[in-house]
Parts: sequence; C-alpha cells; structure tokens
Amino acid sequence: GDSVTQMEGPVTLSEEAFLTINCTYTATGYPSLFWYVQYPGEGLQLLLKATKADDKGSNKGFEATYRKETTSFHLEKGSVQVSDSAVYFCALVNDYKLSFGAGTTVTVRA
Amino acid sequence: GAVVSQHPSWVICKSGTSVKIECRSLDFQATTMFWYRQFPKQSLMLMATSNEGSKATYEQGVEKDKFLINHASLTLSTLTVTSAHPEDSSFYICSASFPRDRASEQFFGPGTRLTVL
Repeated sequence: GDSVTQMEGPVTLSEEAFLTINCTYTATGYPSLFWYVQYPGEGLQLLLKATKADDKGSNKGFEATYRKETTSFHLEKGSVQVSDSAVYFCALVNDYKLSFGAGTTVTVRA
Repeated sequence: GAVVSQHPSWVICKSGTSVKIECRSLDFQATTMFWYRQFPKQSLMLMATSNEGSKATYEQGVEKDKFLINHASLTLSTLTVTSAHPEDSSFYICSASFPRDRASEQFFGPGTRLTVL
C-alpha cells in the first residue's frame, strides 16, 4: 500500500535558520502530495500542495517540489520564525485515501 | 472556501456515557467524510470513511459498535462514541472531500478533544 516517510524530529532551530524536512513516498499511480501544519492544541492546516510531477507548492515562505524521479516532496523554508514552531505532516492522497507521515516537531528558538 | 467545522471543540464526560461529535462542511457538499483519531505526539489514524447515504467503512481494529458514524446529508457527518471509557480520550478530527478524482484533497475540521473521566 501507499506510505509516507518523513524525517524524524524533533528539530530545534534558531530564528532565521534554514529549515528542511525530508519526505519520501511510495505510491502507485499519480498521487497528490501535501504538507500540513499542526500548532499546539489545534487541528490540521493545509500548508501547501502539489498535484503533479514538478509542481512546486508554496505558502508563507515554505516551498516543496513534487519530484517523481526521487519520489520526494521535501519541505523548505529559508528563514524560520518562532511562530513556525509546530508539527509538520507530509501526506499523499491516492485512490481516494490519505496517507500521513509520522510528523516532525519543529521548535524555533528566539 | 472549503471550510469544515466540528462541534464541540472539546468535551468532558463521565465513563459510560455517550458523546456525539458533529462534522459539517460549511460551503461545499461533501460526498465523502473521514474520521481520524490522534493520540498525543502521534500522527492521525484513520478510523472510518463515510459516504453520504451509505454505511461507513471502518478501518481494521476500529469497533463499529463503539464508534457509530452517520452521514445523513452532504454537509453533516456525526461520530458517536458509545459507552465512553478513559481509553477513548483522544483528539478526534474529521475531514471532508468531494472527490473529483482519486487524488483529490481532503479538508480538515479543527478537531474535538474528548476527555473521559
């Protein structure tokens, strides 16, 4: 079946540092790929998405590119802020089902 | 657009009672709704998938008599935790979609935190 593997956390960074969270997937066909963010005590928010190969999703300074050749969808941000502290989930939808990665906790220190 | 609400946002109940959680799509018709459960510091676990007007499909290991799901309309699904016990305490999140294809997005509600005393 489909699966998503993302780098384990926790990740701790200083403000203005560069953030990368690796995500790779296994799926047949043509899945859509997503990054969700969950702030403490809250539900999931869609951060960005890409629906086909070579698409780049971007939002709030975050970017991720759908790489079919490496089956990856790594999340990057050039300069993080304290407000970016959250849990980030990589996910895919394929054959009507959503598969989540385990989540990566990111803490940004001032 | 594509807003999903949940009610209540949190609930505390006594062991043995039943609790109903509502999930509504506010600005679209959701042919399919999903219920997830999330334990602290863990990812979301799919409990069941429901299509409007038909019985829900439960994931392996999820008790259908314990977690009753009703999807009576294109904008409302309910999850009832029957005879709740402390081990049912968790964060329950619903999502909704109107799948145009096999890879369509799901839209998530804000979650309901259930605490069973």
